[in-house]
Amino acid sequence: NAGVTQTPKFQVLKTGQSMTLQCAQDMNHNSMYWYRQDPGMGLRLIYYSASEGTTDKGEVPNGYNVSRLNKREFSLRLESAAPSQTSVYFCASSHSTGELFFGEGSRLTVL
Amino acid sequence: KQEVTQIPAALSVPEGENLVLNCSFTDSAIYNLQWFRQDPGKGLTSLLLIQSSQREQTSGRLNASLDKSSGRSTLYIAASQPGDSATYLCAVRGGADGLTFGKGTHLIIQP
Repeated sequence: NAGVTQTPKFQVLKTGQSMTLQCAQDMNHNSMYWYRQDPGMGLRLIYYSASEGTTDKGEVPNGYNVSRLNKREFSLRLESAAPSQTSVYFCASSHSTGELFFGEGSRLTVL
Repeated sequence: KQEVTQIPAALSVPEGENLVLNCSFTDSAIYNLQWFRQDPGKGLTSLLLIQSSQREQTSGRLNASLDKSSGRSTLYIAASQPGDSATYLCAVRGGADGLTFGKGTHLIIQP
């Protein structure tokens, strides 16, 4: 009964490096989301995918790309990491406009 | 643009007290409202989901109310316990693009 699984849980990057955060859900949800959480800013939506094959920008998409690989998996890519992207990243999933379920988070530090 | 405000930002009460956390939102055109709990360094755990057509939801010692017309929700915690110490987040859904979050109430229950 895994729910939403994110990898890696921790990552340290140097400025300019690239990486991909992976997310998978086993609840057969059609919608998936990527949020970032920063002190004093709360949770902000980066990108979402309302259904397999579609992706849309959220509130803070600059510097990120996403791929909805299949119904289960939704990845977030940083092509050229910047210190401003130091944050905790959360993946979530839901049925359409239903209840959201979150992963445990991925803590990223960019030096 | 939807804005969600949570008051107070922090709260410290003795064990056993009943308490109320407040959430307000600016756009009443919502599908639902969700309350979450977040422990330090952890992900978000869904506590209660209230659909826009509902007035309240209950789970154990928790009761959440929704007054959509006035843009307000409250989370009532009965007979508080030290284990209730956490940050409580309120979020509203306006459509397929996920949730808009408040910045949370940091709750400490003193033994």
